[in-house]
Amino acid sequence: GEDVEQSLFLSVREGDSSVINCTYTDSSSTYLYWYKQEPGAGLQLLTYIFSNMDMKQDQRLTVLLNKKDKHLSLRIADTQTGDSAIYFCAPMGSSASKIIFGSGTRLSIRP
Amino acid sequence: DTGVSQDPRHKITKRGQNVTFRCDPISEHNRLYWYRQTLGQGPEFLTYFQNEAQLEKSRLLSDRFSAERPKGSFSTLEIQRTEQGDSAMYLCASSLPTGTGSYEQYFGPGTRLTVT
Repeated sequence: GEDVEQSLFLSVREGDSSVINCTYTDSSSTYLYWYKQEPGAGLQLLTYIFSNMDMKQDQRLTVLLNKKDKHLSLRIADTQTGDSAIYFCAPMGSSASKIIFGSGTRLSIRP
Repeated sequence: DTGVSQDPRHKITKRGQNVTFRCDPISEHNRLYWYRQTLGQGPEFLTYFQNEAQLEKSRLLSDRFSAERPKGSFSTLEIQRTEQGDSAMYLCASSLPTGTGSYEQYFGPGTRLTVT
């Protein structure tokens, strides 16, 4: 079945870059999303990439896609305390219906 | 644009009772989705509607669960004879196809269900 894997935790120093990695199994994924979830809050759509692209930049966020290896990453430049949250990698299948979420990566920021 | 809203935000019920949750999508969004999220996990897809038609249901959605979207606007999710394993956050999302066909899903704040 469809599966999404992410490392559970990442700790970075304030001002450094954060890189969150994800691997997925559904090769028919058309759009691949990144969501952010802060404690007690809903899911916030951060950015996404279309499967025929290999990179997308959106202000401090850079998404890299290696479609051959089914590997997706999210880089956050100049990480700030407000970036502390759980980040979910979420590919959408070719039917454009459900999104498959990973277990999320909890990003914590050290001063 | 007020975003996706869900009601109630919290529900505590006793095992065996029925509960119903409501979701109001972003206006003019023709797709509406339900997900369930348990502690420490990502959301799991339950079902989705395009307008009033329910187009896909997950195997997670047992016979005790039913969802409706009668007029293609708000949706309800009912759980009958609740079990402790139903305790979770129930999330609703809505989307509208963009010019690129991306169907970006926007989530509501969720309804937290606790079954005692």
